[in-house]
Amino acid sequence: IAGITQAPTSQILAAGRRMTLRCTQDMRHNAMYWYRQDLGLGLRLIHYSNTAGTTGKGEVPDGYSVSRANTDDFPLTLASAVPSQTSVYFCASSDSGEVNEQFFGPGTRLTVL
Amino acid sequence: GQNIDQPTEMTATEGAIVQINCTYQTSGFNGLFWYQQHAGEAPTFLSYNVLDGLEEKGRFSSFLSRSKGYSYLLLKELQMKDSASYLCAVKESNYQLIWGAGTKLIIKP
Repeated sequence: IAGITQAPTSQILAAGRRMTLRCTQDMRHNAMYWYRQDLGLGLRLIHYSNTAGTTGKGEVPDGYSVSRANTDDFPLTLASAVPSQTSVYFCASSDSGEVNEQFFGPGTRLTVL
Repeated sequence: GQNIDQPTEMTATEGAIVQINCTYQTSGFNGLFWYQQHAGEAPTFLSYNVLDGLEEKGRFSSFLSRSKGYSYLLLKELQMKDSASYLCAVKESNYQLIWGAGTKLIIKP
């Protein structure tokens, strides 16, 4: 089934722990994105990748890192989680066409205690 | 600065029409998106406007005025399943999206 998958679906994490959120797409899209969504705020871009091998910082990159070793996978790592990173995390991808709308994964609900 | 404004919440009646407004101030403009997001789910693409005017797609239409920094999403013949949040997003010069906080639409029978 074409689309984007994310894992885990949800996670409760102790502060200070390291955590990697996984994202895989099978649409052969060049661009991928990580957002966080918090109540009352719009989606905020954490990191993005325009093509395999390149990454860039978004609006709120501090405390997060990403890698893009191939087209399909775009993991997001929290090196040392803090409670302010409690959020819903969405991975998205887009092609290089004129519209290049973003397609979203189902999200990961992360709670840092 | 960059800013996208949408009403926080709207209520409408099943079968009626509702218009959700979005105003924006961004450093660049390469198009405007509307997405639908049901509670607990991912956003899904509804519409895209890059030129001024109205784009119609079934029960949903989206309008853009670039000179006014304004867009609206028009939903006709409302159904209970249209209860969701509607997100406005502007594609900037660097092709990244700036998102509004979303409008929660409540449909009443």
